[in-house]
Amino acid sequence: QQPVQSPQAVILREGEDAVINCSSSKALYSVHWYRQKHGEAPVFLMILLKGGEQKGHEKISASFNEKKQQSSLYLTASQLSYSGTYFCGTEQNAGGTSYGKLTFGQGTILTVHP
Amino acid sequence: SAVISQKPSRDICQRGTSLTIQCQVDSQVTMMFWYRQQPGQSLTLIATANQGSEATYESGFVIDKFPISRPNLTFSTLTVSNMSPEDSSIYLCSVLGTGDDEQYFGPGTRLTVT
Repeated sequence: QQPVQSPQAVILREGEDAVINCSSSKALYSVHWYRQKHGEAPVFLMILLKGGEQKGHEKISASFNEKKQQSSLYLTASQLSYSGTYFCGTEQNAGGTSYGKLTFGQGTILTVHP
Repeated sequence: SAVISQKPSRDICQRGTSLTIQCQVDSQVTMMFWYRQQPGQSLTLIATANQGSEATYESGFVIDKFPISRPNLTFSTLTVSNMSPEDSSIYLCSVLGTGDDEQYFGPGTRLTVT
């Protein structure tokens, strides 16, 4: 089941903050966040596995809610290099035949202007 | 993280022909996957490449169209058979990092079918 990402697009000035959300109707095993620049492969940002988890650093961080149905990616004091499309990839079940299989959201296009 | 290479990086093929894409990893990995990313779209899992056994395909993808081989723990191939313009996409392999759930993508193969 495909997760829902919001917003679809964000336009920022350098130094502004953004939040990208990823929601599922069912509890997840994990959430992976990626950034993809045009013509390039997705780059791994972070993975969240535990309900209530928060991780990352002061510039780019993410959270996973207690019910493990929603994750948010926080981009603080944005830089030009943050521009790209952000995808969340979700893993539904722990282990077994679903291990490692990611279902991706539709993506959020982030544009940072000088 | 593993270093992943893909060949070719891009190709233009004629309708009805087949193309084999190679994915090479610089270390042994247990799990390898193949994804497709159609123009302007998100990533969709095609199959899990199983070492020493047949690949596991996701709904909507079949072995006759996308045969996959995985002869060892560092290498896999995906063939796109009897191509049509609808197969024009970026094809990406991914691997799970050793000992963790992080998933990394290769640089992708950009396929155009005319």
